[in-house]
Amino acid sequence: GAGVSQSPSNKVTEKGKDVELRCDPISGHTALYWYRQSLGQGLEFLIYFQGNSAPDKSGLPSDRFSAERTGGSVSTLTIQRTQQEDSAVYLCASSLVGWPTEQYFGPGTRLTVT
Amino acid sequence: DQQVKQNSPSLSVQEGRISILNCDYTNSMFDYFLWYKKYPAEGPTFLISISSIKDKNEDGRFTVFLNKSAKHLSLHIVPSQPGDSAVYFCAASVQGGSEKLVFGKGTKLTVNP
Repeated sequence: GAGVSQSPSNKVTEKGKDVELRCDPISGHTALYWYRQSLGQGLEFLIYFQGNSAPDKSGLPSDRFSAERTGGSVSTLTIQRTQQEDSAVYLCASSLVGWPTEQYFGPGTRLTVT
Repeated sequence: DQQVKQNSPSLSVQEGRISILNCDYTNSMFDYFLWYKKYPAEGPTFLISISSIKDKNEDGRFTVFLNKSAKHLSLHIVPSQPGDSAVYFCAASVQGGSEKLVFGKGTKLTVNP
């Protein structure tokens, strides 16, 4: 079946502009995660959605970052007033609910802020 | 404070030999551990996992060992193949809550023909 898809694959934006990154999880996966990987670093957790529960936003680095998940499926990560330190690969993952379970990752969106 | 550490940024082995990738963690609450493999320009791919109630899990050429007292886990690949060349990430999570994964920085494995 189809895996996690993300768009765009690459995004170059000017400092100060807003960007939106999209994630389509695997069908039937109710849990959705956003991570980012900065150069030379491991993956850093950003936010988690599970069904209708309140999202876990504990990993968002600043209030310029927000995310929503509509209809329990597609998710959008929005970064307002982008800064150069926001340059990274943004990865989305989805999983089934239950313990333990593996997270399945999309190919990521490479964001470059100039 | 890095809770999951992969102290070797890179590892090079000969085809057919064993590859051993190591991972240390500091949070004793972690109860599930995973290894992911990542090729350039692709997302991480799940490889193998182990629950804290076990000390070994095997899947084909891949075996993960967990030493809870030492807070250490390792991934063994036998025999190594050139297609195994990738970045390997160790990750850990805690049951309950968001079950987010905490990742190490990765080890780049190169398997030479």
